[in-house]
Amino acid sequence: QSALTQPASVSGSPGQSITISCTGTSSDVGVYNYVSWFQQHPGKAPKLMIFEVSIRPSGVSSRFSGSKSGSTASLTISGLQAEDEADYYCTSFTTSNTWVFGGGTKVTVL
Amino acid sequence: EVQLVESGGGLVQPGGSLRLSCVASGFTFSSYWMHWVRQAPGKGLVWVSRISGDGSSTNYADSATGRFTSSRHNAMNTLYLQVDGLRVEDTAVYFCARGSSGYGNFDLWGQGTLVTVSS
Repeated sequence: QSALTQPASVSGSPGQSITISCTGTSSDVGVYNYVSWFQQHPGKAPKLMIFEVSIRPSGVSSRFSGSKSGSTASLTISGLQAEDEADYYCTSFTTSNTWVFGGGTKVTVL
Repeated sequence: EVQLVESGGGLVQPGGSLRLSCVASGFTFSSYWMHWVRQAPGKGLVWVSRISGDGSSTNYADSATGRFTSSRHNAMNTLYLQVDGLRVEDTAVYFCARGSSGYGNFDLWGQGTLVTVSS
């Protein structure tokens, strides 16, 4: 199972919006709405930010939103803040009853 | 407090074995699927395995099949990962994670335990 494809890095200025893409195949993102997004700060455990494509867990800022079109899912961070600087990973359930992660995207706040 | 705490990592020679543990607290452990996810130094997250709430069903990534075994002891609120035939490329931080549904939604993570495979 190949990793989902994410851009290596995305940057933006405070207050701006950025979008991170996550491209899979017809065996994962394209066939299931079980896509999640995680935020990971250096040396810390990942934190669930979005699940089932677009649902925010309790306590996650409404500045984070998710969507999907075909085999590509996206995470948008609006009103970018310094604390949003971190690595972000997508993951999807697959037709093999396994999960596949993306390679990760480093978000830099300029 | 709702939390997961891993232990059991360490330095092991190639071909060696380890048993990682993950102790859960603050929630009904037996009601949840549990997962292992690893992260090599400076690299991304990789899903390793999952086990059902009653321990009757498991799934593994291709890289783990035949060498890794996930189990659980619900009375002790503990998840295990037996890792055998370790290779240098298995060097990673191993996280346990709770699946809030049968389709993932890894909503709670431990802090991870580092496994280093080196001669």
